[in-house]
Amino acid sequence: NAGVTQTPKFQVLKTGQSMTLQCAQDMNHEYMSWYRQDPGMGLRLIHYSVGAGITDQGEVPNGYNVSRSTTEDFPLRLLSAAPSQTSVYFCASRRRGGGKRVEAFFGQGTRLTVV
Amino acid sequence: AQKVTQAQTEISVVEKEDVTLDCVYETRDTTYYLFWYKQPPSGELVFLIRRNSFDEQNEISGRYSWNFQKSTSSFNFTITASQVVDSAVYFCALRNLQGGSEKLVFGKGTKLTVNP
Repeated sequence: NAGVTQTPKFQVLKTGQSMTLQCAQDMNHEYMSWYRQDPGMGLRLIHYSVGAGITDQGEVPNGYNVSRSTTEDFPLRLLSAAPSQTSVYFCASRRRGGGKRVEAFFGQGTRLTVV
Repeated sequence: AQKVTQAQTEISVVEKEDVTLDCVYETRDTTYYLFWYKQPPSGELVFLIRRNSFDEQNEISGRYSWNFQKSTSSFNFTITASQVVDSAVYFCALRNLQGGSEKLVFGKGTKLTVNP
């Protein structure tokens, strides 16, 4: 199992450009999420999905779109990049349910710089 | 409202010292989970422990131990005989289960530096 795979690992964008951060998991997890990590801020939830075809907003959704057409993939789209979106982005997945299933598995992160 | 506070922004110790990382949380829910994650300099997030709100037993795993006290809403993490490899940013996090929330609320992290 590869776990949660994020691509690319690093990206530099110009203001106004759009791009998609990819996230794939091979654990058949129902739940997937995107977080951003900013210095001194911890991680904040952007969007999440509880299954294919179902997505919802997190704490900081503005400027981002998501879709979930398959269980495995959960891409994050930046519609028009802004310098405020410079951050490290983490994708996470977990199984539905309580107990041990609440543990989230994180990808390696994507470091995005918007200039 | 949910909130996780890690008051210690940075801690520096000398190898073999014991160190405790503090975590205080706020939630109105009665069913929730608390977590600790480690983020080494390489940047990935490594899961360390999960504790649910009904289980106040302390846990020890090698040099790591966790003290969960609902009375003070705290979930503190102690590293005994610290090592240089323990240098990392440590995050405490909270997940409520009521209402189907998927949000994992993180503290701002404590950067631990263990010097040789």
